[in-house]
Amino acid sequence: DAGVIQSPRHEVTEMGQEVTLRCKPISGHDYLFWYRQTMMRGLELLIYFNNNVPIDDSGMPEDRFSAKMPNASFSTLKIQPSEPRDSAVYFCASSYGRGKGGELFFGEGSRLTVL
Amino acid sequence: AQSVTQPDIHITVSEGASLELRCNYSYGATPYLFWYVQSPGQGLQLLLKYFSGDTLVQGIKGFEAEFKRSQSSFNLRKPSVHWSDAAEYFCAVVPMGAQKLVFGQGTRLTINP
Repeated sequence: DAGVIQSPRHEVTEMGQEVTLRCKPISGHDYLFWYRQTMMRGLELLIYFNNNVPIDDSGMPEDRFSAKMPNASFSTLKIQPSEPRDSAVYFCASSYGRGKGGELFFGEGSRLTVL
Repeated sequence: AQSVTQPDIHITVSEGASLELRCNYSYGATPYLFWYVQSPGQGLQLLLKYFSGDTLVQGIKGFEAEFKRSQSSFNLRKPSVHWSDAAEYFCAVVPMGAQKLVFGQGTRLTINP
């Protein structure tokens, strides 16, 4: 079975450009999470959805970041405009049930470099 | 402040040696506890989890972890490490009443041949 699929795997862009990261969760999973990983801050939860509805976006750093989940099989994380400090690996994860009951399955991540 | 702490940033052990990675949490009530592993360039994979019951839990790849309420700890162990165990290990918690998985800073494990 396919796992969580993220694209692109690598993205290099210039400051000010729009970046869109994509995620396809595992079929049947009802929770979707976006995490950001940096050396300085470790793994940070940005936002999570339940049944396509955003539940908690308190981790989204600022208005430049937005996330959507138009249907159960697709989510996007958009950064507009991008800044060098946004450089990180962005992970999408999905689960059946909440984190405490459902194991999170992670994608391989999207490595973003903003020049 | 509520947190999950992994005191060791980097650990090096010899192949075949035993391993213990430390994890401490500071929450009022015992949270749900997890260990994840991240191989280079990969996402995270669940090794094991503790919700309640037996305080010694077995996971995949020969790992186990012991929950000690008195010490607010959930240390990960393996009796004999293999070169393929080199990776980053993350302790994580879901605090009671919360819905978010909170990760520690991670411990990078290096294996000497």
